Amino acid sequence: DSGVTQTPKHLITATGQRVTLRCSPRSGDLSVYWYQQSLDQGLQFLIHYYNGEERAKGNILERFSAQQFPDLHSELNLSSLELGDSALYFCASSPGVLPYEQYFGPGTRLTVT
Amino acid sequence: GNSVTQMEGPVTLSEEAFLTINCTYTATGYPSLFWYVQYPGEGLQLLLKATKADDKGSNKGFEATYRKETTSFHLEKGSVQVSDSAVYFCALANAGGTSYGKLTFGQGTILTVHP
Repeated sequence: DSGVTQTPKHLITATGQRVTLRCSPRSGDLSVYWYQQSLDQGLQFLIHYYNGEERAKGNILERFSAQQFPDLHSELNLSSLELGDSALYFCASSPGVLPYEQYFGPGTRLTVT
Repeated sequence: GNSVTQMEGPVTLSEEAFLTINCTYTATGYPSLFWYVQYPGEGLQLLLKATKADDKGSNKGFEATYRKETTSFHLEKGSVQVSDSAVYFCALANAGGTSYGKLTFGQGTILTVHP
């Protein structure tokens, strides 16, 4: 158990819908990272938050957004969902912004039908 | 930009065989290097890391040495077990620029160990 929790574990929704994925980092960690894992793209970095502020963006679509709240949990919002958004979404946490090791949650499997 | 290339899999071995999974990288500056393992249906677990040239990371019998001259971080284990069957990811993280802190992953190598 990494100490990072993600909910829900599975999510099935229809095209055009909007979903919210939730992540709670390890106790004491200030950084939260979001990654997408799909068969064709592999593991791709989406976005990084540190202590409530966005620090870096990767290959994140405009339909996707995220935020980190004062209690340090983070939410990833996916809207206008398309079939190609079906993937595993992981969040990871680390103590700070340096390239510390990151600890991953169990992931949310999103299926868009 | 940063990139990581892993040997193509899948890799199939018999129990107690020697394992090598090759990993090479392209990055600016002095990245930190990691190996993560993903068991079926689970998230990624950190296996080992190295933060500077010639560092050797080790854990659970696995080892990898940060080779700056060859930009490599190959994973090795002297005697694999059935329980090592998983997907292994090589990754790097930079300390500067727009890629600050994020992990760049290789494509993953599927390892299957037979009794």
